[in-house]
Amino acid sequence: EPEVTQTPSHQVTQMGQEVILRCVPISNHLYFYWYRQILGQKVEFLVSFYNNEISEKSEIFDDQFSVERPDGSNFTLKIRSTKLEDSAMYFCASSGGGRQETQYFGPGTRLLVL
Amino acid sequence: AQSVTQLDSQVPVFEEAPVELRCNYSSSVSVYLFWYVQYPNQGLQLLLKYLSGSTLVKGINGFEAEFNKSQTSFHLRKPSVHISDTAEYFCAVSVSGGYQKVTFGTGTKLQVIP
Repeated sequence: EPEVTQTPSHQVTQMGQEVILRCVPISNHLYFYWYRQILGQKVEFLVSFYNNEISEKSEIFDDQFSVERPDGSNFTLKIRSTKLEDSAMYFCASSGGGRQETQYFGPGTRLLVL
Repeated sequence: AQSVTQLDSQVPVFEEAPVELRCNYSSSVSVYLFWYVQYPNQGLQLLLKYLSGSTLVKGINGFEAEFNKSQTSFHLRKPSVHISDTAEYFCAVSVSGGYQKVTFGTGTKLQVIP
């Protein structure tokens, strides 16, 4: 069964450093998403992406964040200058694009900012 | 905007006993409803979904949920739990029509006691 994959599974970085989280969505999907889950809290929406542009973003997704689909398979989330409060599990998701499509989530990248 | 309330943060239950995890939602438009499960140190796995049609939906691992529009609820049930069901369960909602962000509840930790 096709699945969403994410790399790396864990990343440790110093405050102020840039990080790039990578995702490979399900191959025929058209809509891509990033969510995050701070330890002990609920999963929060960050951004959705379709047709090479952001379709919706939350207030969390400020200028420090950016997303890109650099080629036909990868979908990346970049955090330009990490803060301590960016420490969280980041989930990528994708959906096919039909009117009843379900989002399928990857296993997540656990980011720790020191 | 949509919101999801999971009133029970933790539910302990003995093995082979039935369980119900409660979920209520709020929305001014029609929605899709989901239950996701997160096993320890893993990602989010879709358990079941309600898009339209029959209000009783069956999912994986013997779980089912019933959509009740008048009570704006989507409670998750299983007649007999196993140790392997120990996980965190998230109720979630999205605006119907596909490719919309998913709004998650705060999660319910199900602890199955041997």
